[in-house]
Amino acid sequence: GAGVSQTPSNKVTEKGKYVELRCDPISGHTALYWYRQSLGQGPEFLIYFQGTGAADDSGLPNDRFFAVRPEGSVSTLKIQRTERGDSAVYLCASSQRTGPQETQYFGPGTRLLVL
Amino acid sequence: AQSVSQHNHHVILSEAASLELGCNYSYGGTVNLFWYVQYPGQHLQLLLKYFSGDPLVKGIKGFEAEFIKSKFSFNLRKPSVQWSDTAEYFCAVNAQGNTPLVFGKGTRLSVIA
Repeated sequence: GAGVSQTPSNKVTEKGKYVELRCDPISGHTALYWYRQSLGQGPEFLIYFQGTGAADDSGLPNDRFFAVRPEGSVSTLKIQRTERGDSAVYLCASSQRTGPQETQYFGPGTRLLVL
Repeated sequence: AQSVSQHNHHVILSEAASLELGCNYSYGGTVNLFWYVQYPGQHLQLLLKYFSGDPLVKGIKGFEAEFIKSKFSFNLRKPSVQWSDTAEYFCAVNAQGNTPLVFGKGTRLSVIA
């Protein structure tokens, strides 16, 4: 079946602009995660949705970052007033809620470059 | 807070050599443990996982990992690497119950002919 998809695959923007990154999870997966991966680092957690609600947004670095999942499927990560330090690969992962044991499946990521 | 340490930043091996990549984590509760692999130009893929039971888990492509609870370790092994194993390997952990993964910084493996 289809995996997690993310669009766009690459995004170049200028400092101060607004960007939206989209994630389409695996069909039927109720949990959705956003991570950010900087060069030479492992992915770092941003926000987690269970259904439509953000169950944990403790990883969002500041209030310029916001994410929604209005119908419990597709999610959009929104970054306002982008800064050069926001340049990274933004990863989305989804999983089925099966109790304490859960496997997250990752999408290909969106590579964001802020000039 | 949880943390994951991967001891090797870059490992270079010849084909057919044996591989062991170290991973240690810090967390006091019950955890799930994972190894993900990222081949050049591709996205993160699950290599293997440990939830409970037999501490020796086998994954795809001949990889295995052993969970040693007393050492908080989950080292990845492969008896004989191939050129196609060239990739970045990430160890990750989460507390059981739909919680975010905490990743190590990754180990880049280069396999040369």
